[in-house]
Amino acid sequence: SQQGEEDPQALSIQEGENATMNCSYKTSINNLQWYRQNSGRGLVHLILIRSNEREKHSGRLRVTLDTSKKSSSLLITASRAADTASYFCATVYETSGSRLTFGEGTQLTVNP
Amino acid sequence: KAGVTQTPRYLIKTRGQQVTLSCSPISGHRSVSWYQQTPGQGLQFLFEYFSETQRNKGNFPGRFSGRQFSNSRSEMNVSTLELGDSALYLCASSLMSRLGEQYFGPGTRLTVT
Repeated sequence: SQQGEEDPQALSIQEGENATMNCSYKTSINNLQWYRQNSGRGLVHLILIRSNEREKHSGRLRVTLDTSKKSSSLLITASRAADTASYFCATVYETSGSRLTFGEGTQLTVNP
Repeated sequence: KAGVTQTPRYLIKTRGQQVTLSCSPISGHRSVSWYQQTPGQGLQFLFEYFSETQRNKGNFPGRFSGRQFSNSRSEMNVSTLELGDSALYLCASSLMSRLGEQYFGPGTRLTVT
């Protein structure tokens, strides 16, 4: 079963708007990663944030991590139609090697 | 650098048969992990190999097995296929098994009829 939960499950916005996705997890982590998946294809790594970090940026992406609340958020600014995809958070635990435990994903649709 | 490659990309099998899927990691990557993705269960970890040794295993029955070769290429095998094994099987590689980001292949879409 999935350890993490994401919300919303689906998000539909207009081009140029910002999109925010949230992820919660249940136990202590080493790091949390965000991945994108287009239409049932392979996953693309977006960003990794370690447990001792609070915020990280990569281009139009901003990720925050609140270990006290066991939650993370992914913000995509100035969204584009090409951002339409499923977004997954994945947690890595200290004792689990490189095993990723995925959330359920958020389906983002950006309308032109 | 070439990305992670998986073969075949699509496969149709009948219940009771067995199947072998192949994964070639990014050159220099020594860790290979396998994941199963289904609409009902989402993305679930199958196993991880590092330097030809299984380092970690998910909660799947013994019908699911894998191995890694000295060149880091990996195969996974599913015996006695069931309808519920229909899924997208994703392989991911990483430089070392050091809690970092993983690079995924395009997946093998397995359909069991």
